[in-house]
Amino acid sequence: DSGVTQTPKHLITATGQRVTLRCSPRSGDLSVYWYQQSLDQGLQFLIQYYNGEERAKGNILERFSAQQFPDLHSELNLSSLELGDSALYFCASSVTAGSGYTFGSGTRLTVV
Amino acid sequence: LAKTTQPISMDSYEGQEVNITCSHNNIATNDYITWYQQFPSQGPRFIIQGYKTKVTNEVASLFIPADRKSSTLSLPRVSLSDTAVYYCLVGDIGGKIGGFKTIFGAGTRLFVKA
Repeated sequence: DSGVTQTPKHLITATGQRVTLRCSPRSGDLSVYWYQQSLDQGLQFLIQYYNGEERAKGNILERFSAQQFPDLHSELNLSSLELGDSALYFCASSVTAGSGYTFGSGTRLTVV
Repeated sequence: LAKTTQPISMDSYEGQEVNITCSHNNIATNDYITWYQQFPSQGPRFIIQGYKTKVTNEVASLFIPADRKSSTLSLPRVSLSDTAVYYCLVGDIGGKIGGFKTIFGAGTRLFVKA
């Protein structure tokens, strides 16, 4: 157990639908990062939050949004889902970027 | 953000030492070098991080030459369970507040054979 909790582990939904992925960072970590990994692809950075504020943004689609709440958990919202959104979505947390990231076990999203 | 270049794949045998080199010619003064390991369908796991010279922990060593334009992850006496993808990342720590766009490249797929 890495200390980063992601729910749900698996999610199957239809095209056009909206889903919410949840991440609880490791205790004491203020930064949360979201990544997307499609089949046999590298990890694509989506977005970073630090203590509730957005700090860095990657190639995140406009259909996707995220937020970090006062209790530091984060949610990634994916809307108008397309088949190509099927992927593993990872959340990571860190105290500082330099201390290394701790990743959760991911949410596998399948869009049918 | 410094771009990194790694071999796409490497093969090794159990018990051998494996060295994976990462090139980062545009590394900036404040950049650190970090390596992660990823097994299929799992999140990456932090292996080691360094700024210069040599860093060693219980699982690996990281060698960084003086010009810092490359780095080498050394895995001593690999086993079958070391078969994974290894990512080299280079970037500014950014402190607690600074944004840090962590970019993972394609990584190096290491295959360890019996």
